[in-house]
Amino acid sequence: DQQVKQNSPSLSVQEGRISILNCDYTNSMFDYFLWYKKYPAEGPTFLISISSIKDKNEDGRFTVFLNKSAKHLSLHIVPSQPGDSAVYFCAARTGVGNTPLVFGKGTRLSVIA
Amino acid sequence: KAGVTQTPRYLIKTRGQQVTLSCSPISGHRSVSWYQQTPGQGLQFLFEYFSETQRNKGNFPGRFSGRQFSNSRSEMNVSTLELGDSALYLCASSLGPVNTEAFFGQGTRLTVV
Repeated sequence: DQQVKQNSPSLSVQEGRISILNCDYTNSMFDYFLWYKKYPAEGPTFLISISSIKDKNEDGRFTVFLNKSAKHLSLHIVPSQPGDSAVYFCAARTGVGNTPLVFGKGTRLSVIA
Repeated sequence: KAGVTQTPRYLIKTRGQQVTLSCSPISGHRSVSWYQQTPGQGLQFLFEYFSETQRNKGNFPGRFSGRQFSNSRSEMNVSTLELGDSALYLCASSLGPVNTEAFFGQGTRLTVV
């Protein structure tokens, strides 16, 4: 059973517009969420994270929103740039017991110039 | 500060052989996790080591094993290779058991023929 789901395998956005990547989770014990970005033939790169005590975290062009009641988080990229084209992974973990990161299957973002 | 280093970057093996992959974490990081990435499956957790002890293990057969040395470097071993073991194997390091941010290496691309 997949605990972290990214239901959109791909997303295309025009340069300069907003990219919204979504992620749903089923485990209510998750209390820390992360987004990673991955280019082909490279390892994932940490992008931004959010703790369950917050509902929003912002870092430059990247903002992550967390809706705990809906068990949903989203990553907003504004404005989108061609260099943002990559696969984005959502990940989650529980703080207690240091459980490993659980990843979604990823969403491939294509930013079109 | 050097990042996570994985060797080798690419590997081709024959069915039935065994393989050992190596991971050197970021200096000062004591926790190392291993993930398998296959197309469409996201990142599947293999195991996590902290201070030479396996703390968590994913749902993989016993052919997959690992260890961590006193200098925090880690190796993973796959015996009796199968075609389905072809994947990108990623290593991630973090400071310790309560640190929630993991930094990935570039991965080892294993092809089993």
